[in-house]
Amino acid sequence: DAKTTQPTSMDCAEGRAANLPCNHSTISGNEYVYWYRQIHSQGPQYIIHGLKNNETNEMASLIITEDRKSSTLILPHATLRDTAVYYCIVRVGGGNQGGKLIFGQGTELSVKP
Amino acid sequence: GAVVSQHPSWVICKSGTSVKIECRSLDFQATTMFWYRQFPKQSLMLMATSNEGSKATYEQGVEKDKFLINHASLTLSTLTVTSAHPEDSSFYICSAPTGNNEQFFGPGTRLTVL
Repeated sequence: DAKTTQPTSMDCAEGRAANLPCNHSTISGNEYVYWYRQIHSQGPQYIIHGLKNNETNEMASLIITEDRKSSTLILPHATLRDTAVYYCIVRVGGGNQGGKLIFGQGTELSVKP
Repeated sequence: GAVVSQHPSWVICKSGTSVKIECRSLDFQATTMFWYRQFPKQSLMLMATSNEGSKATYEQGVEKDKFLINHASLTLSTLTVTSAHPEDSSFYICSAPTGNNEQFFGPGTRLTVL
C-alpha cells in the first residue's frame, strides 16, 4: 500500500495561499491521490482527487509531480474557516466503485488573522 | 457533492448493551461502504468494508462478532456494536464511494458507553 508523508502542522496567514505538501514515493501507476480535510468532531470533507494531471475545483488545486511521487494541495486564498486537519491519501484498489482510503496523521493547518 | 448521512449523530448507552448505527447514501447507490472509528486526537482507522449482498470484510484486529455489519440495500449499511463497553466509546464514521472515483463521508456518530 502506498503510504503518504505530510508535515505535522503548518500555519498560513489569512488571505494568502496555503500550500500543503505530500510525499507518496511508493505510489503505483493506477493509484489515485485524494485530499480530505476534517474539522473537529465532523466527518472528513472531500476536497479533490487526481491521478496524473493537475486538477482544480472550486475549493482547491492539486498539483501532482510528473513522477507522481509527491503532490501539493493549494488553497488559493485561505480563510479562518480553512483551519482543519488535511489528509493526503493514496487509494488502495477499488476501481471507480471504491477502494480503501487509509488515513495517515495529516497536516494540521492553522490559518491566522 | 454527494450526500452521506448517519443516524444517530450521537448516542449514550449502558455497558453491555448493543448499539446500531446507520449509514445512508442519499442521492446515489453504493455497493460498497466503509466504516471507520476515530479516537480523540487520532486519525481515522478503517474498521471494515461493507459489501451489498455479501459479507463484510474486516481489517486486521477488528472483531467481526463485536462489530456486526449489514449492507441491507444499495443505500444503507448498518454497524452494530454488540455488548458495548466503555473502551468502545469513539467517533464512528462511514463513507461511500460514488461511481466517479469520488468517496464521501458521513458526519459521524459519537458513541459514549457508560
